Amino acid sequence: EAGVTQFPSHSVIEKGQTVTLRCDPISGHDNLYWYRRVMGKEIKFLLHFVKESKQDESGMPNNRFLAERTGGTYSTLKVQPAELEDSGVYFCASSQVPRVVNTEAFFGQGTRLTVV
Amino acid sequence: SQKIEQNSEALNIQEGKTATLTCNYTNYSPAYLQWYRQDPGRGPVFLLLIRENEKEKRKERLKVTFDTTLKQSLFHITASQPADSATYLCALAGSYNTDKLIFGTGTRLQVFP
Repeated sequence: EAGVTQFPSHSVIEKGQTVTLRCDPISGHDNLYWYRRVMGKEIKFLLHFVKESKQDESGMPNNRFLAERTGGTYSTLKVQPAELEDSGVYFCASSQVPRVVNTEAFFGQGTRLTVV
Repeated sequence: SQKIEQNSEALNIQEGKTATLTCNYTNYSPAYLQWYRQDPGRGPVFLLLIRENEKEKRKERLKVTFDTTLKQSLFHITASQPADSATYLCALAGSYNTDKLIFGTGTRLQVFP
């Protein structure tokens, strides 16, 4: 069974450009999460999808970030326009059952975003 | 404000010894606590989960304790091996009505032969 996959693994863009990150969760997992780790800091929650609906987007930094999950399968996270402070590693995670807090979450390998 | 602290300094131990990692939190009342392992360039991998009404949980060479009075979790790896070298993250769940994990910064463990 394939795990959570993220594309691209690395992205280097200039400030002001747009970048779209993609996450393919484990097949059948309704719950999809985005997290981010900026350098030297802890991994922080961005948002949570249940199927195609946003369950919790309280961690989204600002309106330059847009997450979608059309059809309840893969998800995209678009940053437009990118700023220097957006640099970091973006992780996607999925879980089969709701309430990931009481079951395991499966994480992808992350996308390292560098804004120059 | 809410805070989760893990030893920022790396923990270096000899193979065969028991590694003990600490996770302390303040201004928080988690319902669950999880431990993850992360290798360089990879995403976190789930290891163990413990609930607030559990004192201890074991899985093979791993043991986790959870003391809600001290607001502390201890993570033990017995008979450590060089392959156990990685960064270990603790993650707290806010409450019963949220699905958000709050991570600590992690502790790097190095097991040398």
